[in-house]
Amino acid sequence: GQNIDQPTEMTATEGAIVQINCTYQTSGFNGLFWYQQHAGEAPTFLSYNVLDGLEEKGRFSSFLSRSKGYSYLLLKELQMKDSASYLCAVRDKGDYKLSFGAGTTVTVRA
Amino acid sequence: GAVVSQHPSWVICKSGTSVKIECRSLDFQATTMFWYRQFPKQSLMLMATSNEGSKATYEQGVEKDKFLINHASLTLSTLTVTSAHPEDSSFYICSARGMRETQYFGPGTRLLVL
Repeated sequence: GQNIDQPTEMTATEGAIVQINCTYQTSGFNGLFWYQQHAGEAPTFLSYNVLDGLEEKGRFSSFLSRSKGYSYLLLKELQMKDSASYLCAVRDKGDYKLSFGAGTTVTVRA
Repeated sequence: GAVVSQHPSWVICKSGTSVKIECRSLDFQATTMFWYRQFPKQSLMLMATSNEGSKATYEQGVEKDKFLINHASLTLSTLTVTSAHPEDSSFYICSARGMRETQYFGPGTRLLVL
């Protein structure tokens, strides 16, 4: 099984940087995903890490350390539209199923 | 690319009726689709894995006779909630496995059973 932990809520100011941590304990690992979900909508794909290190994509970056069972999502130059829930998900080996964390609600204030 | 659609987006039905939800991958073929359920302020919970041409694999605690899944083609999977009850009211989301094994989600279907 998978046990995935991430903070429940975070608040930051427009233009600032926020880092959302995710720790996981898994029986199998084949990649870690970050999704953004606005209220009442389905999740949208943000990033995918399967090897250790940092993946940068515009204002969003994601980091993975497999030995530590740890990932973070970094949001830079925060905008009001970044207010959403951010879901960390771990993919199991073999069956490609995703297990989701409970999500981190990020509120961006002016 | 990697667009997934769901239909309908909203359903309100009476208790005891059955509801069918369609999930389509619009610009790619998906041999595997997944069905999730999400209750308010909770994360996504995987209900079942739908494989084209074979029986779906259900997660523990999900009744396969209540949630019927059919994956008839490489671009279409359907979820039928049979004899729906108020406790089945939820946000149902499908995803399709695409490039780099990434899952792309449909827009979701909100079901309200009265």
